[in-house]
Amino acid sequence: DAKTTQPNSMESNEEEPVHLPCNHSTISGTDYIHWYRQLPSQGPEYVIHGLTSNVNNRMASLAIAEDRKSSTLILHRATLRDAAVYYCILRDVTGSNAGNMLTFGGGTRLMVKP
Amino acid sequence: EAQVTQNPRYLITVTGKKLTVTCSQNMNHEYMSWYRQDPGLGLRQIYYSMNVEVTDKGDVPEGYKVSRKEKRNFPLILESPSPNQTSLYFCASSLTQGPNQPQHFGDGTRLSIL
Repeated sequence: DAKTTQPNSMESNEEEPVHLPCNHSTISGTDYIHWYRQLPSQGPEYVIHGLTSNVNNRMASLAIAEDRKSSTLILHRATLRDAAVYYCILRDVTGSNAGNMLTFGGGTRLMVKP
Repeated sequence: EAQVTQNPRYLITVTGKKLTVTCSQNMNHEYMSWYRQDPGLGLRQIYYSMNVEVTDKGDVPEGYKVSRKEKRNFPLILESPSPNQTSLYFCASSLTQGPNQPQHFGDGTRLSIL
């Protein structure tokens, strides 16, 4: 899977929107952009994914740049429960990833202040 | 409630004593996978299964066995555990193997091998 780059950490105030950026300049045309998060002492949790168009679900929105070289996860109103490490991942099961393995990089640690 | 259930959540045992970590999902998912998570190394895939009776090695399969006799269960077996298998283990499942399928994770099993 192609590589992604995220800031190590970000801070937000409770009740405010949060924009978490991800750069993926080597993305291929068949790569899906996925976001997961991992809360302390819990398993990774799927947040959202997309291919080309912006996506919304009950947890978040995903904004994908027109050239697909970057994307932004948007939490519309951060809560204390959103404090977690957020991972941006590109997924393509062709080639070497026949096992559909998720490869998490360092991610962004989001801290939410009351 | 749709979920992936792992048992036990915590286990301390000794070198060489066979153990099994169970994983069960209630979503009728075809694809299941085991990961281990170690500090600084991220998630690494141990084994995966695309369907009943179909299993294959991930990146770090040495010292582990799996079986997939029925769709909902995917146990991880350590025949002769060693201290280097001390880790946090996650089971995951998704509807199919496809790159647009979210993976659902269990809450993890923390194993300590003395």
